[in-house]
Amino acid sequence: EPEVTQTPSHQVTQMGQEVILRCVPISNHLYFYWYRQILGQKVEFLVSFYNNEISEKSEIFDDQFSVERPDGSNFTLKIRSTKLEDSAMYFCASSDRTGGTKTQYFGPGTRLLVL
Amino acid sequence: DAKTTQPNSMESNEEEPVHLPCNHSTISGTDYIHWYRQLPSQGPEYVIHGLTSNVNNRMASLAIAEDRKSSTLILHRATLRDAAVYYCILFFGNEKLTFGTGTRLTIIP
Repeated sequence: EPEVTQTPSHQVTQMGQEVILRCVPISNHLYFYWYRQILGQKVEFLVSFYNNEISEKSEIFDDQFSVERPDGSNFTLKIRSTKLEDSAMYFCASSDRTGGTKTQYFGPGTRLLVL
Repeated sequence: DAKTTQPNSMESNEEEPVHLPCNHSTISGTDYIHWYRQLPSQGPEYVIHGLTSNVNNRMASLAIAEDRKSSTLILHRATLRDAAVYYCILFFGNEKLTFGTGTRLTIIP
């Protein structure tokens, strides 16, 4: 069964460093998302992406964050200058549009720890 | 976003059916009812969704009240692997899923 994959599974970085989290969405999907979950808290939406542009973003997704689909398969989240509070699990998701709703399929996540 | 209300936690015995309730009294006519679950240390996993009629798939069944103000996710025979947080989410045309705190399901061997 097709699945969303994410790399790396764990990333440790120093505050102020740039990180890039990578995702390979399901191959025929057209909509892509990033969510994050701080330890012990809810899953929060960050950004959605369709047709090579951001379609919606949350307040969390400030100028330090960017997303890109550099080729036909990868979808990346870049954090330009990491802060301690960026430590979280980051989940990528993808969807197509079937039956009038966009069911999203999630990857296993990248655990980011900022020191 | 329309709001859903779920119990914080539930317990069930292994190999017995589990009924997870969700109230969504402010649901709009175009909202789909989606259920996701999150196993420990994993990403959310799609379980099932429906609009008006009851739905079945290999994982679960979804029973939707006639007035659509509530729904119930049914796991027909719970296993230890079903221990997770279950989220009921109303969703249509929005780009984002809005997760609440869900119901933490504990399965007792």
